[in-house]
Amino acid sequence: EAGVVQSPRYKIIEKKQPVAFWCNPISGHNTLYWYLQNLGQGPELLIRYENEEAVDDSQLPKDRFSAERLKGVDSTLKIQPAELGDSAVYLCASSLAGGSNEQFFGPGTRLTVL
Amino acid sequence: LAKTTQPISMDSYEGQEVNITCSHNNIATNDYITWYQQFPSQGPRFIIQGYKTKVTNEVASLFIPADRKSSTLSLPRVSLSDTAVYYCLVGDLPPRNTGKLIFGQGTTLQVKP
Repeated sequence: EAGVVQSPRYKIIEKKQPVAFWCNPISGHNTLYWYLQNLGQGPELLIRYENEEAVDDSQLPKDRFSAERLKGVDSTLKIQPAELGDSAVYLCASSLAGGSNEQFFGPGTRLTVL
Repeated sequence: LAKTTQPISMDSYEGQEVNITCSHNNIATNDYITWYQQFPSQGPRFIIQGYKTKVTNEVASLFIPADRKSSTLSLPRVSLSDTAVYYCLVGDLPPRNTGKLIFGQGTTLQVKP
């Protein structure tokens, strides 16, 4: 069974440029998460989707970050414009609904903003 | 969600049993304890989850005392490949907890030859 797929794995951009990350969750997983992980820290939730609906985006900096999951499967996270402080690893995870706190994480996209 | 406290780092040698303890004094009645493992350049991976007493799977054991204010992840006979960061998380299960997991800094385990 394929795991969570993310692309690109690495991205280097200059500040003020836009950037987008793509995630394909495990087939059948209705819940999708985007996390941000800074060096030496644990992941922090940015947004959670139940199918197409963003049910928790309280931690998403909405002035520059946006996300979508139009058909309830793949998702895209966008930053526009990027700032130096956005350099981090962006992780996507998916899970089945209910019964366990097991989330399946992708390998992440390492973003470097110069 | 209950806050957790765990050691920042631990060292061990190959073949030893490693026990990582996590404190969660404010754990709520409905909260479960979940442990994740993260290797460099990879996303976290679920290891084990429990509510009370002892849970064992093919990878690890989780010991939870009766008061549930702490828990211990036990890794038997570690190898170099067990070098990773281990996160302890406490929270209710979906759908009640809305799936939100709060990761702390985790414990960096270094296994030496």
